[in-house]
Amino acid sequence: DAGVIQSPRHEVTEMGQEVTLRCKPISGHDYLFWYRQTMMRGLELLIYFNNNVPIDDSGMPEDRFSAKMPNASFSTLKIQPSEPRDSAVYFCASSSAGTSDSYEQYFGPGTRLTVT
Amino acid sequence: KNQVEQSPQSLIILEGKNCTLQCNYTVSPFSNLRWYKQDTGRGPVSLTIMTFSENTKSNGRYTATLDADTKQSSLHITASQLSDSASYICVVSGYGGSQGNLIFGKGTKLSVKP
Repeated sequence: DAGVIQSPRHEVTEMGQEVTLRCKPISGHDYLFWYRQTMMRGLELLIYFNNNVPIDDSGMPEDRFSAKMPNASFSTLKIQPSEPRDSAVYFCASSSAGTSDSYEQYFGPGTRLTVT
Repeated sequence: KNQVEQSPQSLIILEGKNCTLQCNYTVSPFSNLRWYKQDTGRGPVSLTIMTFSENTKSNGRYTATLDADTKQSSLHITASQLSDSASYICVVSGYGGSQGNLIFGKGTKLSVKP
């Protein structure tokens, strides 16, 4: 398996522009997570899906952020309008429920977003 | 408040030496604790996952210990290699929590020098 795939790997945009980040989870995984990582705050969960349905979006910072999962193999995280404080590395991760509570989350390589 | 604190923030050691990273947590009730390794420019990769009933777990030169009574965990790296240079993140899951209920530490940045 190719693992979790994210695109683009790097994104530089100007303040006010719309940004769309993309994720393809590992085939067969039924959970998908979006995280944001900064030096100051570390890794933070933004939102996660189970079987394409959003379960918890309490980590989404504000209405400028939205996420969708139209099917089991694709998800997007959109920021509109973007602001300099959104600059961070955004990770997508996926996992399978399995039969144990000790599920494993597999992370993608991340998208480094810079908003100028 | 559920928190995960890691120490030290950063560490520099010479190749071949051993080191120990610390993780203290206040998450309760507790389900499992995991250590991730994150290389620069890449996503975190799981090293170990321990439930509350496990005291130690090894993965090659990495050995994690857990004391659920004192809410402390450590990650010991034996005979360090240059490739061990990375950030190591401690993550705790609350008992019965959903898959989204992971509490992340801010990590320890380890640099292994030749």
